[in-house]
Amino acid sequence: GAVVSQHPSRVICKSGTSVKIECRSLDFQATTMFWYRQFPKQSLMLMATSNEGSKATYEQGVEKDKFLINHASLTLSTLTVTSAHPEDSSFYICSARLTGGPGEQFFGPGTRLTVL
Amino acid sequence: SQQGEEDPQALSIQEGENATMNCSYKTSINNLQWYRQNSGRGLVHLILIRSNEREKHSGRLRVTLDTSKKSSSLLITASRAADTASYFCATAIMDSSYKLIFGSGTRLLVRP
Repeated sequence: GAVVSQHPSRVICKSGTSVKIECRSLDFQATTMFWYRQFPKQSLMLMATSNEGSKATYEQGVEKDKFLINHASLTLSTLTVTSAHPEDSSFYICSARLTGGPGEQFFGPGTRLTVL
Repeated sequence: SQQGEEDPQALSIQEGENATMNCSYKTSINNLQWYRQNSGRGLVHLILIRSNEREKHSGRLRVTLDTSKKSSSLLITASRAADTASYFCATAIMDSSYKLIFGSGTRLLVRP
């Protein structure tokens, strides 16, 4: 149990386009999901906390108009990178917290975004 | 910003040896968790230790927590080549956000 999926796994896009990444909890409900960004050989940097039915909470330095987050249901959160530029190229990972659990998060397999 | 640091940054050992990774953090925590990441993949949860616990075991894994020193260690015993991965500690801070703040990670290579 506690499986999180992400789609797509890889995406290549042209500069200026927008890209949507989906994060789904497959067998549990998640009122809270998280979005991380990871550069090569570095740790995960928390971008934002996605709350079902309310606005996302962004970490300091993360542009909310650049990275749009929508958590429309208890099993789906989406991250849209708007007007993507080459510096947005990165590995984006989502996680979901099991509601009522001790705090462990279940991670998706990640999405590799390359902006040309 | 990252909560803490891990050391060593990289560790190379022979199969069968034990691997120890250390994690330090800065603020008060609710719990500390260890995760594993294979190259280019998502993270896998290994073990969670609460702030009022000092030691926890899970199979070949042993985690310790010293809240007075704000540090934790992960010991992998009898390592296997399949243990090769990056290992991250993550701290859950004491608020209602359930956010995890990740350490810098240790890249472990287990040579067959």
